[in-house]
Amino acid sequence: DIVMTQFPDSLAVSLGERATINCKSSQSLLYSSNNKNYLAWYQQKPGQPPKLLIYWASTRESGVPDRFSGSGSGTDFTLTISSLQAEDVAVYFCQQYYSNPPLTFGGGTKVEIK
Amino acid sequence: QLQLQASGPGLVKPSETLSITCSVSGGSISSDTDYWGWIRQPPGKGLEWIVSIYYSGSTYINSSLKSRVTTSVDTSKNQVSLRLSSVTAADTAVYYCARARGGNSFHWFDPWSQGSLVIVSS
Repeated sequence: DIVMTQFPDSLAVSLGERATINCKSSQSLLYSSNNKNYLAWYQQKPGQPPKLLIYWASTRESGVPDRFSGSGSGTDFTLTISSLQAEDVAVYFCQQYYSNPPLTFGGGTKVEIK
Repeated sequence: QLQLQASGPGLVKPSETLSITCSVSGGSISSDTDYWGWIRQPPGKGLEWIVSIYYSGSTYINSSLKSRVTTSVDTSKNQVSLRLSSVTAADTAVYYCARARGGNSFHWFDPWSQGSLVIVSS
């Protein structure tokens, strides 16, 4: 199974500042045949289901604000919120879909306002 | 707009079988391109993928749960169902259904249903 490790577990960022969330996979998520990384990011606000933000490691889902961006390749990935807004307080999860079964998620990173 | 609604029993006794149904609206469960997934989240914890199923019945199942999981599609009702047998307290979780995009085995999930909280307790 591919193990997904997120860090930090939580972070507090001032409004308008940058938030950076890291996700590391136990094996590469890069398919050489198409040069795509099989990684998605989700946002989960309290009491709500997860919401897809990004897939293919860096493709923003339609309707997701452009302050959210995904980067990285291979085993190391980053979700960046360029200018944190109050509505971005949430837990963020990464998920690999390179190997199925099983599909696996990171443990989550909680983002709060400093 | 595709919407999913999961409905479950709320409370299940240990050793019994948990059954949850996901109703899909705004789109067809017989889509050529989509699978349908089940994911669960114990209270205050992370996400665990359970299974993905295609309308034809083809499935990908988490091996850690494989012996206890049954899933099915009812195209006439536009529903997907999950059954988990021999439940224990460790199966207490919010259960989500979601459309699994990406095709073949490469699934990311969007949209998700509101969760169905299932508590296993006598």
